[in-house]
Amino acid sequence: EAGVAQSPRYKIIEKRQSVAFWCNPISGHATLYWYQQILGQGPKLLIQFQNNGVVDDSQLPKDRFSAERLKGVDSTLKIQPAKLEDSAVYLCASSRSGTGNYGYTFGSGTRLTVV
Amino acid sequence: SQKIEQNSEALNIQEGKTATLTCNYTNYSPAYLQWYRQDPGRGPVFLLLIRENEKEKRKERLKVTFDTTLKQSLFHITASQPADSATYLCALDKYGGSYIPTFGRGTSLIVHP
Repeated sequence: EAGVAQSPRYKIIEKRQSVAFWCNPISGHATLYWYQQILGQGPKLLIQFQNNGVVDDSQLPKDRFSAERLKGVDSTLKIQPAKLEDSAVYLCASSRSGTGNYGYTFGSGTRLTVV
Repeated sequence: SQKIEQNSEALNIQEGKTATLTCNYTNYSPAYLQWYRQDPGRGPVFLLLIRENEKEKRKERLKVTFDTTLKQSLFHITASQPADSATYLCALDKYGGSYIPTFGRGTSLIVHP
């Protein structure tokens, strides 16, 4: 099966600009996750979708971050305006049922640099 | 507060030896514990999952143990190879209306030929 697709692979923006990341999960995977991974740290969950509904967004900085998953398939994560501390790798993952029973499948991520 | 701890120092071992990585957690009652491998510039790759009522799980050269009393999981790679060099992450799923996964920071393993 095809993996989790993410784009772009790299992005460099100036602070206060906006940026959007796209994710296409594995076909049939109902649960989709966006993670932020700062260099040297583990992935931090930003938002979890079950189909097109939000399950958990308690760690999403909602004043600047937004995410949507229209039609329960693809998802976009947006940052507006970006801050220097948003420099990180943004990972998208998907799973069959959201229980983690089969593990999570990650994309390669988008490396964001805010200058 | 809930914490997942993995040794931040890299583990250096010789090829052929067994690598043992540790994941400790506090203030958690995880339903599942998972181990992932992450190579530079790549997303984590799922390796093994162990449930709260299981003590041990094996897959080829990999073995995971889970002690809910000690709140600790050990991850073993036997007959290690230089290709096993990577960062290994543990992740805990806890149930709070749905399963929410939380990752540790990972431990870097370096296997020397």
